[in-house]
Amino acid sequence: QKEVEQDPGPLSVPEGAIVSLNCTYSNSAFQYFMWYRQYSRKGPELLMYTYSSGNKEDGRFTAQVDKSSKYISLFIRDSQPSDSATYLCAMSAYSGAGSYQLTFGKGTKLSVIP
Amino acid sequence: GAVVSQHPSWVICKSGTSVKIECRSLDFQATTMFWYRQFPKQSLMLMATSNEGSKATYEQGVEKDKFLINHASLTLSTLTVTSAHPEDSSFYICSAPARGVGGGNQPQHFGDGTRLSIL
Repeated sequence: QKEVEQDPGPLSVPEGAIVSLNCTYSNSAFQYFMWYRQYSRKGPELLMYTYSSGNKEDGRFTAQVDKSSKYISLFIRDSQPSDSATYLCAMSAYSGAGSYQLTFGKGTKLSVIP
Repeated sequence: GAVVSQHPSWVICKSGTSVKIECRSLDFQATTMFWYRQFPKQSLMLMATSNEGSKATYEQGVEKDKFLINHASLTLSTLTVTSAHPEDSSFYICSAPARGVGGGNQPQHFGDGTRLSIL
């Protein structure tokens, strides 16, 4: 079993829809949870960052973490065509010497159709 | 605006050439930077951790003599792909821990990546 599992999609939704993206993980040492958005041929862009179970909201984006179930989600409300990208979940655990190492999911490719 | 700058964005070169990629933190100091490799439709795979003032730490399976890393200053890390071959063609991305979050548990900001194509 991989440490981080993410459905690669692709996921296609109409403009204005609510999008739900999910990742599961197996490593209990993961402490910090992030969602990145990556446009084609670009580096990942940090969207959300959280370290506790519960919800965190930022504009149209809500990140949800359930540590007991080892499950995280990203919700996008009122989705826009500009949200079309690959969404990567990432989790970090302490790797020693003051450093944290990220483990990424495979990414879910999202297309928002006008 | 971008907080991590990566250059060049695209390189095409002949087999056997060595290629240097630069990663700069623009308005903050980064004692640690990370280098990733990403194949099409795949996630990012950590290659190595670049440490200012000391040797880089390479992940298992990554040839340190092939991928030379130099963390020359608190704002610059370079990755040199030596004697590149077609199988080294990939998307290389660097990252640096973000500012403003305490301790070592910082999310990372990424450069825009370098697309390397070896003919």
